[in-house]
Amino acid sequence: AQKITQTQPGMFVQEKEAVTLDCTYDTSDPSYGLFWYKQPSSGEMIFLIYQGSYDQQNATEGRYSLNFQKARKSANLVISASQLGDSAMYFCAMREPYSGGYNKLIFGAGTRLAVHP
Amino acid sequence: NAGVTQTPKFRILKIGQSMTLQCTQDMNHNYMYWYRQDPGMGLKLIYYSVGAGITDKGEVPNGYNVSRSTTEDFPLRLELAAPSQTSVYFCASSLPDSDRAISKENYGYTFGSGTRLTVV
Repeated sequence: AQKITQTQPGMFVQEKEAVTLDCTYDTSDPSYGLFWYKQPSSGEMIFLIYQGSYDQQNATEGRYSLNFQKARKSANLVISASQLGDSAMYFCAMREPYSGGYNKLIFGAGTRLAVHP
Repeated sequence: NAGVTQTPKFRILKIGQSMTLQCTQDMNHNYMYWYRQDPGMGLKLIYYSVGAGITDKGEVPNGYNVSRSTTEDFPLRLELAAPSQTSVYFCASSLPDSDRAISKENYGYTFGSGTRLTVV
């Protein structure tokens, strides 16, 4: 069965520093997609970045980059130059492979990031 | 450009009451999903639908029912509410894979703003 693991319940970072949020996944299917979402205290789910299993390069979106290590089954989120507004809960998610899964998203337990001034 | 709209945003239910959480999307997405998020946890799939008239159970379906009579609407029904159903409920929609590869916006997934439900 597919699974997403986020081992860091909470992280602290100083403003303007970079931070890495860990995510490992488990699937035997060669085709899958990995997502990172941000959930601020207001509660909405905000899409940050996506990595497809066949993508040759690591995904980047502004200050967000995804460190994709396929052999290790890890998809860590790197936030550069942290800002106070980055304080939130962060979820890693995997799109279930095509094989009858109807593209459901499986979520990790999340990491709460606190950015200190 | 409303996206996915959920109502109500907040609700308090007494044990044993029933209610329907509404979800509607205006993006003509075939796939729709209901997730619940317990405090400090990730989202878990309750039910999903791949089109009008087709629904299936997710990871945590017990105590819930859904229907999908139109492409736009995917209501979630709680019968006999229990304290264990206290949670935040998210509705989401997505494109089929073939279209998602083309659409770079959210890579096809759109979430509603959530319904915070408390059962007392």
